[in-house]
Amino acid sequence: QKEVEQDPGPLSVPEGAIVSLNCTYSNSAFQYFMWYRQYSRKGPELLMYTYSSGNKEDGRFTAQVDKSSKYISLFIRDSQPSDSATYLCAMSAGGGTSYGKLTFGQGTILTVHP
Amino acid sequence: GAVVSQHPSWVICKSGTSVKIECRSLDFQATTMFWYRQFPKQSLMLMATSNEGSKATYEQGVEKDKFLINHASLTLSTLTVTSAHPEDSSFYICSASTSGIQYEQYFGPGTRLTVT
Repeated sequence: QKEVEQDPGPLSVPEGAIVSLNCTYSNSAFQYFMWYRQYSRKGPELLMYTYSSGNKEDGRFTAQVDKSSKYISLFIRDSQPSDSATYLCAMSAGGGTSYGKLTFGQGTILTVHP
Repeated sequence: GAVVSQHPSWVICKSGTSVKIECRSLDFQATTMFWYRQFPKQSLMLMATSNEGSKATYEQGVEKDKFLINHASLTLSTLTVTSAHPEDSSFYICSASTSGIQYEQYFGPGTRLTVT
């Protein structure tokens, strides 16, 4: 079983739709939760990060973490064609030998069509 | 700010040769750099962590003698794939951090390696 599971999609939505992206994980030591956006043949770009459980909002993006269920989500409101990319969740346990080490999900390919 | 570059962006080499990939932090000093590998439609897999001036720490299953990592300065880390084989063909991505804090990793654009 992978430590982080993410539905690879692909996910296709019309412009303006609300997009929900999700990841589940098995390692209860994970404390830091990140969402990255990756365009084709480019490196990942950090969208949001959350420490422990809770919600965080930044513009059209909302990240949610439910540690009790080992489940995280990213919501994109009013999706735009420019949001078309691969979205990766990433997690980290924090200190000690895990300091800075990220475990990524497989990535979800999102296409927003006009 | 927080720009990371990689060179080359794409390289083709023959089986048995070695290839070096550079990762540079352009506008900050990176005390820690990470090297990842990404196969098509798969996630990034951490290969190794390197701190400036010290030996890299490799993840389980990564051959340290095959993937040589050098972090000689606070702005440059290199990954050398020695005696490359077709199965080493992949997308290699580095990230750089000033603090090693999980969310403060800035990724380079990646290097696509094709071994023929």
